[in-house]
Amino acid sequence: GNSVTQMEGPVTLSEEAFLTINCTYTATGYPSLFWYVQYPGEGLQLLLKATKADDKGSNKGFEATYRKETTSFHLEKGSVQVSDSAVYFCALSDQQGAQKLVFGQGTRLTINP
Amino acid sequence: SAVISQKPSRDICQRGTSLTIQCQVDSQVTMMFWYRQQPGQSLTLIATANQGSEATYESGFVIDKFPISRPNLTFSTLTVSNMSPEDSSIYLCSVEDFGTGGMNTEAFFGQGTRLTVV
Repeated sequence: GNSVTQMEGPVTLSEEAFLTINCTYTATGYPSLFWYVQYPGEGLQLLLKATKADDKGSNKGFEATYRKETTSFHLEKGSVQVSDSAVYFCALSDQQGAQKLVFGQGTRLTINP
Repeated sequence: SAVISQKPSRDICQRGTSLTIQCQVDSQVTMMFWYRQQPGQSLTLIATANQGSEATYESGFVIDKFPISRPNLTFSTLTVSNMSPEDSSIYLCSVEDFGTGGMNTEAFFGQGTRLTVV
């Protein structure tokens, strides 16, 4: 079946550091890929997405590129801020749209000033 | 974007009892989804709830343990029945919003219900 594997956390960085959170997936067909973020005390919210190979999703300075050849969707940000501290989830959907998401285990990110 | 209210936000329950979690959406949606997040693990889909029909359960989840109601297009409940400590998890409600023109789908989540069974 479909699965998502995320870089294990927790991850702790200093402000303005470069961030990479690795995500790889296993799926049949052509899934859509997502990154969700959960800030402290809040619900899950969509950070970015890509629906086909070579698409790049971006939002709030974060980027991720859908790499079919390596089955990856790594999350990157060039300069993190304290406000980026949160739990990040990589997910895929093998159906059109966002139905029936399969999630990775989540990566807790802490940014120190 | 859809706004989801979920309650209770947390509860501590005795084993053998049942808890019903409510999910209210501020707009009409066709499908609602219930997920479980066990401690230290990822979110797992429990079932899909459609209005006017029985919920569709994923492998490993059964209606007797997790009965779901969907009385209208803005509301759903998930009951965790005959609870044991292994049911201690965060339970999340989710809906899909098709956005403008139906082309930009996105899943929205409630804040979750943190359940502890003692």
